[in-house]
Amino acid sequence: GAVVSQHPSWVICKSGTSVKIECRSLDFQATTMFWYRQFPKQSLMLMATSNEGSKATYEQGVEKDKFLINHASLTLSTLTVTSAHPEDSSFYICSGGDRGTSNEQFFGPGTRLTVL
Amino acid sequence: DQQVKQNSPSLSVQEGRISILNCDYTNSMFDYFLWYKKYPAEGPTFLISISSIKDKNEDGRFTVFLNKSAKHLSLHIVPSQPGDSAVYFCAASENTDKLIFGTGTRLQVFP
Repeated sequence: GAVVSQHPSWVICKSGTSVKIECRSLDFQATTMFWYRQFPKQSLMLMATSNEGSKATYEQGVEKDKFLINHASLTLSTLTVTSAHPEDSSFYICSGGDRGTSNEQFFGPGTRLTVL
Repeated sequence: DQQVKQNSPSLSVQEGRISILNCDYTNSMFDYFLWYKKYPAEGPTFLISISSIKDKNEDGRFTVFLNKSAKHLSLHIVPSQPGDSAVYFCAASENTDKLIFGTGTRLQVFP
């Protein structure tokens, strides 16, 4: 299957700082990328959908000014958690898909964010 | 409003036997369904999918059944292996790439 990478795999930061997470599709062009958040023992919660070259669409309840998403190319999307707080600590997972070929999404390995 | 539900949070099955994971949905407009397997601290891995125009799709040890009238799908794993132990998520989409995930079922396959 297609490969999606995320960087970093884990990050620890101080409260009030910003953290950027990168999501790359390595062997396919991801016209659409998705960002999910997973709390312990809970399901994946879709945060936002981004299409290459356009603004991201955020799910209800997700602060777009806090979780900045950029999808500047067909192989790269970034999620920036601005002014991070301890409650932002979570496991963030991205996925990519090519709407022209499949409904499938391919997931990255995830990024563990811990805000102190 | 949980559109995709997995009512069994956990399932324990003996190696070699069949594992059946269930998923119910409420949105009749869903037209594509997928199953993912997930290990802790990793991203989900795609297992198998089914379009709403079919009622069964098989891939090796994995078979997905779809009952549209009951808005129910299930994943059968035969024979179950210890390496199958993981959390399984079903997901559904409605003519878009946006996936709605269930809450997951933790499968444990014991020797």
